[in-house]
Amino acid sequence: DAEITQSPRHKITETGRQVTLACHQTWNHNNMFWYRQDLGHGLRLIHYSYGVQDTNKGEVSDGYSVSRSNTEDLPLTLESAASSQTSVYFCASRSGAATEAFFGQGTRLTVV
Amino acid sequence: AQRVTQPEKLLSVFKGAPVELKCNYSYSGSPELFWYVQYSRQRLQLLLRHISRESIKGFTADLNKGETSFHLKKPFAQEEDSAMYYCAQAGNAGNMLTFGGGTRLMVKP
Repeated sequence: DAEITQSPRHKITETGRQVTLACHQTWNHNNMFWYRQDLGHGLRLIHYSYGVQDTNKGEVSDGYSVSRSNTEDLPLTLESAASSQTSVYFCASRSGAATEAFFGQGTRLTVV
Repeated sequence: AQRVTQPEKLLSVFKGAPVELKCNYSYSGSPELFWYVQYSRQRLQLLLRHISRESIKGFTADLNKGETSFHLKKPFAQEEDSAMYYCAQAGNAGNMLTFGGGTRLMVKP
């Protein structure tokens, strides 16, 4: 069955370190998204991609970057982790308009 | 910018009571609207979308363009409905989904 997976599920890192969160989907969806989930803020869009070599900034993109070298993967990189980036991160993909978005299981990141 | 507002962060009801989770959106055209649900420690999953006009697990949602609302309703809440509910919209900004702040529904026995 097609799926979307995130790794790692949990990560503890130190302030200032570079961290990369992986997202892999097997639906062959062009559209992929990264969100962070925080109490009181719901889900906020970090970055998104509409296809290979396409990346776009979302609402809260500062301190994050993504790359899209193939259809299946959209890794999220925290260039220099900060405590404010402690959060739960969700990756999602969808094929296009009016279609369901499928979410990964989430990555809980703690920056100490 | 697109905005989705869920005014209630927490909604607590007793089992068997009616439930209405409010959602207001900002897009002036013909938006795509969705309700997603997140059960404890699980990933978000689609509950329903306005284009399908369906009822899932007893929940329904009607698009009211005049009030720019897409409230989620269920006539008789069940304990297993306890979860986090997110309203989302996609509009002319491509296929990006914008989410509201979420409402935690607690159904008490």
